[in-house]
Amino acid sequence: GAVVSQHPSWVICKSGTSVKIECRSLDFQATTMFWYRQFPKQSLMLMATSNEGSKATYEQGVEKDKFLINHASLTLSTLTVTSAHPEDSSFYICSVNRRNEKLFFGSGTQLSVL
Amino acid sequence: DAKTTQPTSMDCAEGRAANLPCNHSTISGNEYVYWYRQIHSQGPQYIIHGLKNNETNEMASLIITEDRKSSTLILPHATLRDTAVYYCIANRDDKIIFGKGTRLHILP
Repeated sequence: GAVVSQHPSWVICKSGTSVKIECRSLDFQATTMFWYRQFPKQSLMLMATSNEGSKATYEQGVEKDKFLINHASLTLSTLTVTSAHPEDSSFYICSVNRRNEKLFFGSGTQLSVL
Repeated sequence: DAKTTQPTSMDCAEGRAANLPCNHSTISGNEYVYWYRQIHSQGPQYIIHGLKNNETNEMASLIITEDRKSSTLILPHATLRDTAVYYCIANRDDKIIFGKGTRLHILP
């Protein structure tokens, strides 16, 4: 069964609005989760590492004020795309690492900003 | 993470074994070799991983050379549902950086 639940699967929003994406670890308490984005026909790009109870660690070139990450509990991390613009349209994916095991990925969220 | 090199794309006939190569010549001793695949518009799916020994599970086999500089993922009986992008990753912690992968086309 699914180990990671990501919602919503797709979202369409107007330019300038904010969108929140949730990532839940269903059977494991995850101190760390990861957020990726993927443009069409490209590979996954790591955006940030979400740390439970502390600030997220962002990869170089990712705007922390644009992509707000909150990891308030051991089973939930959220990514908020603030003041979204058409160039933020992308496929966003979260992942969870079960200790000493492989990464499990969410099903992804397709964001379309009009 | 060690850099990995994979062919951009490959074709395989349905029912035949698909052999996907990966070069990781700069891999360090404590880095594992992981394989994931991504079917269009879905999150990546774990396939298999290994350190030194060859590994097999219900999905695939992983053959790692003795010097660990390269590996091959084997899908023993490819089906149309195996059409996907396959990513080979050499990694020692839980932060995974994806390369471009191999786009595998299974031909009917």
